[in-house]
Formats: sequence, structure tokens, C-alpha cells
Amino acid sequence: EIVLTQSPGTLSLSPGERATLSCRASQSVSSSYLAWYQQKPGQAPRLLIYGASSRATGIPDRFSGSGSGTDFTLTISRLEPEDFAVYYCQQYGSSSWTFGQGTKVEIK
Amino acid sequence: EVQLVESGGGLVKPGGSLRLSCAASGFTFSSYSMNWVRQAPGKGLEWVSSISSSSSYIYYADSVKGRFTISRDNAKNSLYLQMNSLRAEDTAVYYCARDNEQWPVFDYWGQGTLVTVSS
Repeated sequence: EIVLTQSPGTLSLSPGERATLSCRASQSVSSSYLAWYQQKPGQAPRLLIYGASSRATGIPDRFSGSGSGTDFTLTISRLEPEDFAVYYCQQYGSSSWTFGQGTKVEIK
Repeated sequence: EVQLVESGGGLVKPGGSLRLSCAASGFTFSSYSMNWVRQAPGKGLEWVSSISSSSSYIYYADSVKGRFTISRDNAKNSLYLQMNSLRAEDTAVYYCARDNEQWPVFDYWGQGTLVTVSS
């Protein structure tokens, strides 16, 4: 099973700043099978990025994904108040999915 | 508008059983694979099970294999999760989630239903 490790655990930033979130896989992951989700308290997760770098429908262009192999990154170019949330990476392989443990982006 | 509405959660004793349901609307349910994903209180997301559009392919996480059974009724636009031999560690919010047609990602999620396993 591929393990996804996200870092940092918590990111304390101010609105307008840039956020860089990391997701590292224990084995190589096809870029087609790497996704990012956002979850706010009391809400279901929302798909942000699929295929490592493609934005889902309705996702603002301040969100971008990059990476390949074992290292992937989610970047939020300028944080808006509604972006403070927990972010999860996810990979698919061998007919199963695994998630990273999450990165919390909090207001500094 | 795509809607997924879970129900059936509640308090159950260890060793007990529970059946979750997910009512789907706003899309052609019979064309999509569906999934259950859970989240223990204050913890991260864990994929539980997946079922293909015609129920031909079914997969489970190792943590629930042999205890949980996923099924669907395309005529009723409904997804189910039968949970047996429940343990304290099964306590979580259970979400149903739609599989995207082209990519192995979950593009729509329900609001979740809480399952609490406790004596």
C-alpha cells in the first residue's frame, strides 16, 4: 500500500500570503492518480485538483497543483479568508485509494 | 444538481450491525461507480469501499474486509453499506462519494452520517 505523507501538519499564514503544501508518496504514483481535496469544519471534502495539476470545476485559479513521481505540491497563490481549511492529497492504485493525513492551513 | 444524502447512522454496541444508505439524485446513478469514505472524529479520511456502476467490481479496505458489504440498487438510485461485527474503531462519519467518470477521484460527496460504536 502506498503511504502519503503530507507536510507541514499545520501552516499558519495570513490572508494574501502564498501557501505551499507538500504530499510525498512512499512509492511512485502516476500523476493521473493524484488528487487534492479541501475540507472545512463540519463539511464534506471538496475536490480541488485531479491528475496532479488539473483544477476541478469551479475551483479558482489561485489553486494549482504540480509534481510527479513521489513528490507533489498544492499551491495557493494568495490566501483568501475562505481558503483556511484542511487539505488532503489522495492517490489511486491497485483498486484502492489512500489519503494523506492532511495539512491544516490556519490564520496566523 | 448532484445530491447525495446519507442516512442510517446512529449508536450501536460493539459487535452489532448497521446499514447505511445513500440516496442519489441529479445525475444518472447507474452510470457511475460509487464509494464509501469515513472519517473518525478529529482524524483524516479513509476510503472504505467501492462498487462499479453495474456492481460487477467491488473493493474493500483491509480494515473492513469480511465485515462490511457494499451494494447498490440502480432502480432506486441508492447505495448501501451493510456493517457487521462493528468495533469501536469503526466510529466515524461515513460519506458516500461519486467516482468521476474519467478520473479515479471523488467529485461529489454527501454530507455524511455519524456511526458511533460504543457500549
